Amino acid sequence: QKEVEQDPGPLSVPEGAIVSLNCTYSNSAFQYFMWYRQYSRKGPELLMYTYSSGNKEDGRFTAQVDKSSKYISLFIRDSQPSDSATYLCAMSVSNTDKLIFGTGTRLQVFP
Amino acid sequence: SAVISQKPSRDICQRGTSLTIQCQVDSQVTMMFWYRQQPGQSLTLIATANQGSEATYESGFVIDKFPISRPNLTFSTLTVSNMSPEDSSIYLCSVDERGQGKSFGYTFGSGTRLTVV
Repeated sequence: QKEVEQDPGPLSVPEGAIVSLNCTYSNSAFQYFMWYRQYSRKGPELLMYTYSSGNKEDGRFTAQVDKSSKYISLFIRDSQPSDSATYLCAMSVSNTDKLIFGTGTRLQVFP
Repeated sequence: SAVISQKPSRDICQRGTSLTIQCQVDSQVTMMFWYRQQPGQSLTLIATANQGSEATYESGFVIDKFPISRPNLTFSTLTVSNMSPEDSSIYLCSVDERGQGKSFGYTFGSGTRLTVV
């Protein structure tokens, strides 16, 4: 079993839809959770960062962590074609420990 | 957070040859990593390159195949040696500034898309 599981997609949605991207993990010691966005032919860029459980909101993006279920989510409201990218989750035990990445979910938002 | 310049952005190489990828960072960083990203797969860590010490390779990766240099705190190179088509992939360098309080995660270069024919 992989430490971090993520559905590779692709996920195709119409513009304006609410998108839900998810990762599950097996290591209950993970405390730091991140979401990266990777456009085609670009490197991943850090999109959201959360520590421990709870929600964090930034504009149209909400990151949610449920440590009891070992499940994290990224919600995108009012999705735009410019949100079309691959989204990778990442997590670590401590702020200095190695990041473990999911496989990434490819999202396509069509007009 | 740091800005990373990675060169070349893409290349097509003949099998049996070698390619050196350069990674230049605009600030001094201790922790630098080299990743491989194959289609439909996760980022796979090749090695950790810290200045002043030998690179540390992950299981399945060896120094003879992927020699790494880290001459100072702003620069590193990864060489893909004796290439075969199985080495076709995207190679990414990244830095970790969390310990310096400059970022909440790794920062990545734009990647090198390598095709071996």
